[in-house]
Amino acid sequence: DIQMTQSPSTLSASVGDRVTITCRASQSISSWLAWYQQKPGKAPKLLIYKASSLESGVPSRFSGSGSGTEFTLTISSLQPDDFATYYCQQYNSYPCAFGQGTKVEIK
Amino acid sequence: EVQLVESGGGLVKPGGSLRLSCAASGFTFSSYSMNWVRQAPGKGLEWVSSISSSSSYIYYADSVKGRFTISRDNAKNSLYLQMNSLRAEDTAVYYCASDGDYSPFDYWGQGTLVTVSS
Repeated sequence: DIQMTQSPSTLSASVGDRVTITCRASQSISSWLAWYQQKPGKAPKLLIYKASSLESGVPSRFSGSGSGTEFTLTISSLQPDDFATYYCQQYNSYPCAFGQGTKVEIK
Repeated sequence: EVQLVESGGGLVKPGGSLRLSCAASGFTFSSYSMNWVRQAPGKGLEWVSSISSSSSYIYYADSVKGRFTISRDNAKNSLYLQMNSLRAEDTAVYYCASDGDYSPFDYWGQGTLVTVSS
């Protein structure tokens, strides 16, 4: 099974900061990676699929990059609405594992 | 507007059973794979099971294999999860999620809470 590891687990940042979250796969998943945002008490929301494709309606300050085993989610200028937990997920093969999550907190 | 509405959650004793349902609307349900994902209190997301559009392909996480059964009724635009031999560690909010044309898990329901406790 493919394991997904995110870093950091928690990130403290200020409005306007550039934020980067890393996700590593235990073996190559090509570009079959998605990123989700989840706020407390709410369902996750798809942000990025196929490593770098922006889901419709998602602000352009979100971007994804990487392939193989190393991936990043970047928020170019953090907004108040972006404080949330972010998860990566591989869908190259089953079981389609999620990372453990990265909580973005207000500094 | 795409809507996924889960139901069937509740309190059940260890060893008991529960059947979750997910009612879909606003898209051609029969054309898309569907999924169940769960989240234990205060924990991260855990993929549970997936089923292809025509039910030809079904997958389970090892943690539920042999105890849970995913199914769908395309005529009723509904997805199901039959959960048997429930354990305390199955306590979680269960979400159904649909695949998109090019993306995974693009729409999610609001979730239904399953609590396994004596």
